[in-house]
Amino acid sequence: GIQVEQSPPDLILQEGANSTLRCNFSDSVNNLQWFHQNPWGQLINLFYIPSGTKQNGRLSATTVATERYSLLYISSSQTTDSGVYFCAVRMNRDDKIIFGKGTRLHILP
Amino acid sequence: DGGITQSPKYLFRKEGQNVTLSCEQNLNHDAMYWYRQDPGQGLRLIYYSQIVNDFQKGDIAEGYSVSREKKESFPLTVTSAQKNPTAFYLCASSIQGYSNQPQHFGDGTRLSIL
Repeated sequence: GIQVEQSPPDLILQEGANSTLRCNFSDSVNNLQWFHQNPWGQLINLFYIPSGTKQNGRLSATTVATERYSLLYISSSQTTDSGVYFCAVRMNRDDKIIFGKGTRLHILP
Repeated sequence: DGGITQSPKYLFRKEGQNVTLSCEQNLNHDAMYWYRQDPGQGLRLIYYSQIVNDFQKGDIAEGYSVSREKKESFPLTVTSAQKNPTAFYLCASSIQGYSNQPQHFGDGTRLSIL
């Protein structure tokens, strides 16, 4: 089946730093989402981005579907950005949605 | 407001007991999903349903069962055959067949073994 790989697995940064999280996928997909899981387990939808670039405040994302990767950028990190970031892809041939293992981000004050 | 409601938030199971986790959505979505998350891990797909009265196994369906009798509801039963059920369970929904729509999640149910 499709493989979804996220990197790095863990990232520790000082408040104010910028970061780039990567998601690689091994097959054609028809959509891709980025989520932030907060300490209470809630999954917050950040971006729906099957292709192109989107921005929302300090966060932006770019997906290059032909090269099978997506990037999530976080600028001027804040301690509230801490948590786990997941990418999830939906297969072209069915509605199956597969998650990567996530990047655990720690922002230090 | 529209959304996905999972209940209960916390659930305890005795050995050999079946338990059922509820997932209800009022988003008029066709597709619904169940995921399992273990501590420090990603989400793994248990079952998903694209339409009423139909569902497919995900990657870790053994020891679980589902039903989809109504569009709004997709309950998950954790059977006694699931030997390691302690985990965080998340339900999601999306518009089936329309790939340009995101997936929405409930707040999850934490299941523990007594």
